[in-house]
Amino acid sequence: QSALTQPASVSGSPGQSITISCTGTSSDVGGYNFVSWYQQHPGKAPKLMIYDVSNRPSGVSNRFSGSKSGNTASLTISGLQAEDEADYYCSSCTSTSTYVFGTGTKVTVL
Amino acid sequence: QVQLVESGGGVVQPGRSLRLSCAASGFIFSTYAMHWVRQAPGKGLEWVALISSDGRNKYHADSVKGRFTISRDNSKNTLYLQMNSLRLEDTAVYYCARGGSYSDYWGQGTLVTVSS
Repeated sequence: QSALTQPASVSGSPGQSITISCTGTSSDVGGYNFVSWYQQHPGKAPKLMIYDVSNRPSGVSNRFSGSKSGNTASLTISGLQAEDEADYYCSSCTSTSTYVFGTGTKVTVL
Repeated sequence: QVQLVESGGGVVQPGRSLRLSCAASGFIFSTYAMHWVRQAPGKGLEWVALISSDGRNKYHADSVKGRFTISRDNSKNTLYLQMNSLRLEDTAVYYCARGGSYSDYWGQGTLVTVSS
C-alpha cells in the first residue's frame, strides 16, 4: 500500500492553469476509474473536488477538471485564483479493495 | 444537512486502547459505506479503514491491521474505530468520511495523541 506519487509543490500566477499529477500502478490508478481528488485548506477537513477520474460534484467550480492516462491521473486547475491555494490529494481504490492517498501537493498562487 | 461528528479522541499511552465514534445525521446512514482516514501532524492523508453499508465487509490498512477494527451500528447511525495496542506513530487527527469509491462528506476530525 505505497502512497501514490504527487509533486510536493506546484505554483502559478492568478489566471494561469496548473496541473497536478498522481502516479500509481496498474493495481490502483491504472486499474480502476475510481480516482478522486481532495482539496484541504490548513486546519480544515478535506473537500471532494473530483470523483471517478473526471466527475465534478455539485458546487465545485468548473475550473477544476480531472483526467487519467495509464497509471497517472491528473487534476487541472484553470483560471487559478487565490482561494485555490491549498493542499491537494489524489486517492484511488486498489486491487485488494483498500484505498490509497497520494503524497499531497501544495498549490501556491504567486 | 449531512453531518459527521467524531468523538473519543484524546491523549493515551503507548500500548493502550481507544475507541473513536462518528455520529452521522442528515442522510440514510445504513445505505452508505464509510471510511476512517487519518492525518499525522504536518503530514498527508492516510487511509485507515472502510466498512460496507451493512457492516459485513471490512478492510484495513496494513499499518493498522490486527490492531484497529472498524465497525458500525446502523440502528444508532454511528461508525466506530476500535484502536488497540496504540503506537506513537498513530498520533493523528482521525476523520470519518462518507462513501465508497469517493468521500463526499467528511467530519471535522478528532485528535488522538499517543504519548508516554
